[in-house]
Amino acid sequence: GNSVTQMEGPVTLSEEAFLTINCTYTATGYPSLFWYVQYPGEGLQLLLKATKADDKGSNKGFEATYRKETTSFHLEKGSVQVSDSAVYFCALQRRYSSASKIIFGSGTRLSIRP
Amino acid sequence: GAGVSQSPSNKVTEKGKDVELRCDPISGHTALYWYRQSLGQGLEFLIYFQGNSAPDKSGLPSDRFSAERTGGSVSTLTIQRTQQEDSAVYLCASSLDRGEAFFGQGTRLTVV
Repeated sequence: GNSVTQMEGPVTLSEEAFLTINCTYTATGYPSLFWYVQYPGEGLQLLLKATKADDKGSNKGFEATYRKETTSFHLEKGSVQVSDSAVYFCALQRRYSSASKIIFGSGTRLSIRP
Repeated sequence: GAGVSQSPSNKVTEKGKDVELRCDPISGHTALYWYRQSLGQGLEFLIYFQGNSAPDKSGLPSDRFSAERTGGSVSTLTIQRTQQEDSAVYLCASSLDRGEAFFGQGTRLTVV
């Protein structure tokens, strides 16, 4: 079946450090891939997405590239800030003609030290 | 409305009682999703609607759980004879077909 595996947290970094959160997936066909973020006390929101192989999603300095050959969608940021502290979820969705369920990873809690 | 609205935001109920959780999606969104997030865990899929029908209800944990959607809009998730393991945050999201899913703030359910 379809599934998402992401690195376990918590991840603690100092401000301005480089961030990588690993995500790999298992899916039949070619799904759309997403990173969602949940800031403290807030609802889940879409951070970035990619819909086909070699696409790069980017937002707020974060990037992730859809790698079909390694079935991966790793999240990266060159210089993290305290405000990036949150829980990050990798997710996939099968691409049918209409909506289908979104499958989430277990989440990675990120804490940034000033 | 401006966003996905869920009510109540918090619910404390006694074991064995029934509860109803409500979700008001963004106006015009055809797809609606329910998820459950237990403390420190990821998002567990429960059910999704396309219009008023539910093509995938495979995530409902037991027959105590049911959901409906009326008028292609409001959805209600009902949990009968609640158990302590039902305690979690229940999240609702909506989207335009395959577009971005927008999440509500969730209902925190505590069964005592």
